[in-house]
Amino acid sequence: SQTIHQWPATLVQPVGSPLSLECTVEGTSNPNLYWYRQAAGRGLQLLFYSVGIGQISSEVPQNLSASRPQDRQFILSSKKLLLSDSGFYLCAILSGGNSYNEQFFGPGTRLTVL
Amino acid sequence: AQKVTQAQTEISVVEKEDVTLDCVYETRDTTYYLFWYKQPPSGELVFLIRRNSFDEQNEISGRYSWNFQKSTSSFNFTITASQVVDSAVYFCALSEVGSGGSYIPTFGRGTSLIVHP
Repeated sequence: SQTIHQWPATLVQPVGSPLSLECTVEGTSNPNLYWYRQAAGRGLQLLFYSVGIGQISSEVPQNLSASRPQDRQFILSSKKLLLSDSGFYLCAILSGGNSYNEQFFGPGTRLTVL
Repeated sequence: AQKVTQAQTEISVVEKEDVTLDCVYETRDTTYYLFWYKQPPSGELVFLIRRNSFDEQNEISGRYSWNFQKSTSSFNFTITASQVVDSAVYFCALSEVGSGGSYIPTFGRGTSLIVHP
């Protein structure tokens, strides 16, 4: 079965500091990978998705970036955090790249920027 | 473009009441898939159900039931005899059959269900 790991679980960072959130996947190969952000406890905003190693598509222009150095590793980064980057970050996968499959979500990282 | 509307921002009920969460979607595709997810207070989204556009048969799973009506572009979710553990944010999502390997589902904004004891 598929398992998604995200770390850290909780993070408090000052404005202007860098960020690195990691998502790793087990139990599947060549998944589509997604980063979502959920602000104020509601609504899922798709930030990035990837259909393969090194292939990243950005949905929203912002100070965040994503990378996929390995098939089952997805990293979300920022060089300088903004207050508006606070939120709940969720990593998700789609097995097999088929639109009829549901997504599986990781446990999330709760980021607070002060 | 695809769109999912969950007009109910928050619903509050007392335990054992039945509650229906509405989901209305828009799509130009004839082939698409609809989903419901549950997000409990812990934060992790949990998949509940998938339905394809060619299958309008309603589904029941325990206290959960789903009513898919293409004529009204709706995919509503009913919880019978609600329980406190049903308290969560529920998301409806739509996926069109994509091409080129990319797949981006569209999520509604979610409905927060609060079940009081």
